[in-house]
Amino acid sequence: EVELVESGGGLVQPGGSLRLSCVAYGFSLSGHWISWVRQAPGKGLEWVAHISPDGSYINYVDSVEGRFTISRDNARNSVILQMSNLKSADAAMYYCARTASDRGLDLWGQGTLVTVSS
Amino acid sequence: DIQMTQSPSSVSASVGDSVTITCRASQDINNWLAWYQQKPGKAPKLLISAASTLQSGVPSRFSGGASGTHFTLTISSLQPEDFATYYCQQAKGAPDTFGQGTKVDVK
Repeated sequence: EVELVESGGGLVQPGGSLRLSCVAYGFSLSGHWISWVRQAPGKGLEWVAHISPDGSYINYVDSVEGRFTISRDNARNSVILQMSNLKSADAAMYYCARTASDRGLDLWGQGTLVTVSS
Repeated sequence: DIQMTQSPSSVSASVGDSVTITCRASQDINNWLAWYQQKPGKAPKLLISAASTLQSGVPSRFSGGASGTHFTLTISSLQPEDFATYYCQQAKGAPDTFGQGTKVDVK
């Protein structure tokens, strides 16, 4: 079955760090742009970051620039979102998603929940 | 950054109704516009990409339109499984911003 599986979420104190992982099953990630999208409780979707197939092109939303780092390990069929200096505003469900050739996000994981609280 | 203004924020409708949701981009996005459906507790699902391309398996009652920076998602003959929240997203240039969402609920 073709799927994306996120992991690594949890409870972290403000200023802390978390490492989210997105692993692909049933297909190779290496040919795809991969995005992270988050959704705070009861709120809308917010695009966070994406990475090109070879990792040479990376973009972030302004609010996470300098604190989050997206990377990929094509050999392990995975994409990582390293989050540091976490703020309460970063608390959300984090989804990874595959970008299709027409730029739609055509495959999503089930999400991993990040809670930021003291 | 490209802003996406989606309206309405909510709409109440009945089974069989036609519903149209609108997104307006703050600049030209070359029709790099996608529509998603999200149900509570679930990940979003891609319905339409490139403004009007229906994804495989998505019912034909969903359709997308475009005119310049103005985009529409129309659901003709609403079905019970269509009550959900819908989002547009532009993919012309990062950040790939989403609209604010439209909740379609039962009248």
